[in-house]
Amino acid sequence: AQSVTQLGSHVSVSEGALVLLRCNYSSSVPPYLFWYVQYPNQGLQLLLKYTSAATLVKGINGFEAEFKKSETSFHLTKPSAHMSDAAEYFCAVIGGSSTLTFGKGTMLLVSP
Amino acid sequence: DTGVSQDPRHKITKRGQNVTFRCDPISEHNRLYWYRQTLGQGPEFLTYFQNEAQLEKSRLLSDRFSAERPKGSFSTLEIQRTEQGDSAMYLCASSLDGGSRSGNTIYFGEGSWLTVV
Repeated sequence: AQSVTQLGSHVSVSEGALVLLRCNYSSSVPPYLFWYVQYPNQGLQLLLKYTSAATLVKGINGFEAEFKKSETSFHLTKPSAHMSDAAEYFCAVIGGSSTLTFGKGTMLLVSP
Repeated sequence: DTGVSQDPRHKITKRGQNVTFRCDPISEHNRLYWYRQTLGQGPEFLTYFQNEAQLEKSRLLSDRFSAERPKGSFSTLEIQRTEQGDSAMYLCASSLDGGSRSGNTIYFGEGSWLTVV
């Protein structure tokens, strides 16, 4: 069994502020973990993925995430938010299944 | 590489009608997935194909839903006797063999919006 919990359906930050989006997972086997971003009326774009190599993963657009097994977490961060980062972000896991299981998403709002 | 293509992007249909969506995966990808996404939710897995074989189906895929990938290339998702609860975005995705469990990325299309009135 595998599942993902994203804490906070909405996160608001000011432009230039730190972005922190939280994701906790559950998996019966060592997981692979992913963050996807979705802009309005568009599909999903992969930001980054963890596949059991380095625990700190760097992705596109300045985002990174750290896999912490002891906390079953895979939080997404960006040091300085940009207006163009406003979108919905999804954490996803592959554990024992062959397919992705997604969280409910976190909408990131960036104010000037 | 033109990405994953889906058609139509938007479909409005009356309750009880049948609808069909088409997905063209990235050309060298032999895995193809269908997901459904409703407002305020993350995508939910429906089914996936390895070449032309349908290997897994979710409990969400009721008997009114049928998916095919006849030649291992494009895929269709048909919904018969549509209900208002079928209103959602239907996402198609593809990957190389082994999917993401092997480290291969799953690439998503832009989705097909269905509104049942």
